[in-house]
This record gives sequence, structure tokens and C-alpha cells, in this order.
Amino acid sequence: GESVGLHLPTLSVQEGDNSIINCAYSNSASDYFIWYKQESGKGPQFIIDIRSNMDKRQGQRVTVLLNKTVKHLSLQIAATQPGDSAVYFCAENMRSNTGKLIFGQGTTLQVKP
Amino acid sequence: EPEVTQTPSHQVTQMGQEVILRCVPISNHLYFYWYRQILGQKVEFLVSFYNNEISEKSEIFDDQFSVERPDGSNFTLKIRSTKLEDSAMYFCASSGQGMNTEAFFGQGTRLTVV
Repeated sequence: GESVGLHLPTLSVQEGDNSIINCAYSNSASDYFIWYKQESGKGPQFIIDIRSNMDKRQGQRVTVLLNKTVKHLSLQIAATQPGDSAVYFCAENMRSNTGKLIFGQGTTLQVKP
Repeated sequence: EPEVTQTPSHQVTQMGQEVILRCVPISNHLYFYWYRQILGQKVEFLVSFYNNEISEKSEIFDDQFSVERPDGSNFTLKIRSTKLEDSAMYFCASSGQGMNTEAFFGQGTRLTVV
């Protein structure tokens, strides 16, 4: 069935270290993926996206990697800062022209000073 | 920077009452969505709306739910007879296109049914 999952519920890193948040998706028909950041009491905030014809995309301090062979998505955050502390969700669009997104469970990133 | 706005930020209602959650999507967007998030859980799709009609809905979006775009700017979610299990954060989102474009989310309305 439809599912997007995350490997770890909580990730704790030291300030300045790099963070890697992982996501496994189940539907090989998915062709568009987004990482969202959600701070407490706020809505999901777009971080970065990637289409299925790519395997890597870089933004400011963030990189998303897509491995379609094993249906795996990861978000790398360089030089993690206290402001990066939040819950991170991956979401997939399964070739739906309605734009429907299926969200994963979320990983809580805790940045230790 | 354009943003999706939602009102109210918090709504408390008695079980069985009707509630209307309001959203103003980004002005040039064409696709509108409602999602919900039960406390501590993932974000769940409810419904998508395009060209003044529902384009897709989930199993959660039963006959108690309806959406409307009453004018050129607002997008509303109505729950006809609220149940305790409807308590959640409700997020409105909009996107410029349906496929393969980012959806922008509002700050959410926390609905508490007592």
C-alpha cells in the first residue's frame, strides 16, 4: 500500500556536525519527493525537492539524495545549527496530477550545543 | 514573501457542532489542499481542490467534510458534526501546479473537540 517511512524517530547531533535523515518509500511509481521541516506549533516548511530523473540535488547547506533502486531518500544538513532543530518529514507524490502528497512519520532532529 | 494564511489559529468546539476552518491560499496558485495532523503523528492528506471542484480525497474525508472556495481568495473546510477524533491540526496548502511542484503550507488551525 501507500507508505513513506523514516528509519529513526529521533536524531541527536552536535552543533556543527553534519546530519543525515533517512526515508524509505514504498511506491516505485513516485516521481517527486519533498523534504519538509516542521517546527513546534507551525506548518510544514519546504526545504528541498527532487524529481525522479535526478539522484542528487543541493541547496543551501542541504543536499537530498535519491536512490530509486532501493527506494531510499536522504536529507543531509551540513554544519547543523540549533535553528535546525525540528521534525523533518519526507513526502512523495505518486504521479498524481492532483498534487497529493504522502508524508512519512517524521524524524525529530535535536541539535546539542 | 507570499504565504498561506489560516484562521483561526485555535478552535474549540463541542462534539456535534459544525466548524468552518478558513484559509487564504497564495494568490496565483491553482491547487488547494487540506491536510490534518493528529498530535505526534504524521501529516495526512484529506482533499485536493482544483478548478472549483474536488480532484482527489482520502478515506478520512467522509460525508462530514466539505470544502468550498466561496470567492476568489478563500478556501474553507467544513466539518458538519464534529467528533472527538476530529481533534487535530488542520493545514491548508496551495501550489501553482498539481504535479511535481512544492506545496506551501499555512501555520495550521488547531481544532479541539470537547
